[in-house]
Amino acid sequence: DAGITQSPRHKVTETGTPVTLRCHQTENHRYMYWYRQDPGHGLRLIHYSYGVKDTDKGEVSDGYSVSRSKTEDFLLTLESATSSQTSVYFCAISGQLKRANTGELFFGEGSRLTVL
Amino acid sequence: TQLLEQSPQFLSIQEGENLTVYCNSSSVFSSLQWYRQEPGEGPVLLVTVVTGGEVKKLKRLTFQFGDARKDSSLHITAAQPGDTGLYLCAGAQRGSTLGRLYFGRGTQLTVWP
Repeated sequence: DAGITQSPRHKVTETGTPVTLRCHQTENHRYMYWYRQDPGHGLRLIHYSYGVKDTDKGEVSDGYSVSRSKTEDFLLTLESATSSQTSVYFCAISGQLKRANTGELFFGEGSRLTVL
Repeated sequence: TQLLEQSPQFLSIQEGENLTVYCNSSSVFSSLQWYRQEPGEGPVLLVTVVTGGEVKKLKRLTFQFGDARKDSSLHITAAQPGDTGLYLCAGAQRGSTLGRLYFGRGTQLTVWP
């Protein structure tokens, strides 16, 4: 199994509070991703990173920011949580891209966030 | 707008039956992947297909990539309760250099004993 851990695994918070989710990997993989998974929507990319301090937006980045100061850590921050951000958040990592730009994603176990 | 459309959304069958799950798009992909996800866990990669018309077999699972690389199918023969889970297809678009994948909404498969 790829060494990837997410914390916290569960969190309940109130609207307007800041929240930070952490993704930690021990695989020294270059690429890291944050997805959210919601019923009826599947997995949607929030932000991704292609190296230390190199990040970019995904499909649903509004209301989220990320930081990657070390290879092994990728942080997802909700500056002011809203109820629409209630979701299960998955971190994924990927190493060297193979032919046809194909990288296998290794996923963490997910962080379930509830915003009341 | 979903780039990849999966069908059916839900599938409930008896043990021993065969089934096919479809993943369709109007876009061309450089590769397609299939993942399986169990409750409370992250998705796990089953297979990657990269060549138009390619067929890959993984025990009772057969994966096919369409000739035009716009669609894929997953066929399970003699389904077992252990096959129960959420099946997700994911595509890498041509020209993307960062390994980004676009996911379908998934097919929830339940196999009853």
